[in-house]
Amino acid sequence: DAGVIQSPRHEVTEMGQEVTLRCKPISGHDYLFWYRQTMMRGLELLIYFNNNVPIDDSGMPEDRFSAKMPNASFSTLKIQPSEPRDSAVYFCASRTWDWNTEAFFGQGTRLTVV
Amino acid sequence: AQKVTQAQTEISVVEKEDVTLDCVYETRDTTYYLFWYKQPPSGELVFLIRRNSFDEQNEISGRYSWNFQKSTSSFNFTITASQVVDSAVYFCALSEIKAAGNKLTFGGGTRVLVKP
Repeated sequence: DAGVIQSPRHEVTEMGQEVTLRCKPISGHDYLFWYRQTMMRGLELLIYFNNNVPIDDSGMPEDRFSAKMPNASFSTLKIQPSEPRDSAVYFCASRTWDWNTEAFFGQGTRLTVV
Repeated sequence: AQKVTQAQTEISVVEKEDVTLDCVYETRDTTYYLFWYKQPPSGELVFLIRRNSFDEQNEISGRYSWNFQKSTSSFNFTITASQVVDSAVYFCALSEIKAAGNKLTFGGGTRVLVKP
């Protein structure tokens, strides 16, 4: 398996524009996580899914953020409208149902909002 | 609520020195898992080790070793004879099964700088 695949790797956008980040988890994994990493706040869990169903979205900063998982092989994180403070690295991770396994992370998407 | 604390924000050592990274966690659950991840300058997150709450046996893997003590809620990580390639940010993480629904919470990370 190619691992968790995120796209794009880098995104530069203007304030107010819509941004969509994409993630393809490892095949067969039941859990998918979205994290945001900044210098100030470290690695924050935004939302996670189990079998395509959102389980906990308490980490989503505000209504401008939304996430979907229409099927087991694809998830999106959307920011609309984007703001400069959304600039960060966004990671997607997946893991199996077995709690005694680690989460595998994608390479991340570096988002810059100017 | 679950919480992971890595009190050391940055550690600088000279090559071949040992370095120990501290991790203290808080949980009300009796079943949980602890992890260490490494984030090198290239930015990806690399899994190093996991340990479940019922297994307090310490582990050694090459130059890496881990010390899990439930009595003090600590899961410390030691790099022996450090090398420049060990320079990275290291994260401790906690997965709490019942109360937190299996989500993975990270500590703030410790940046390790190994100088030649």
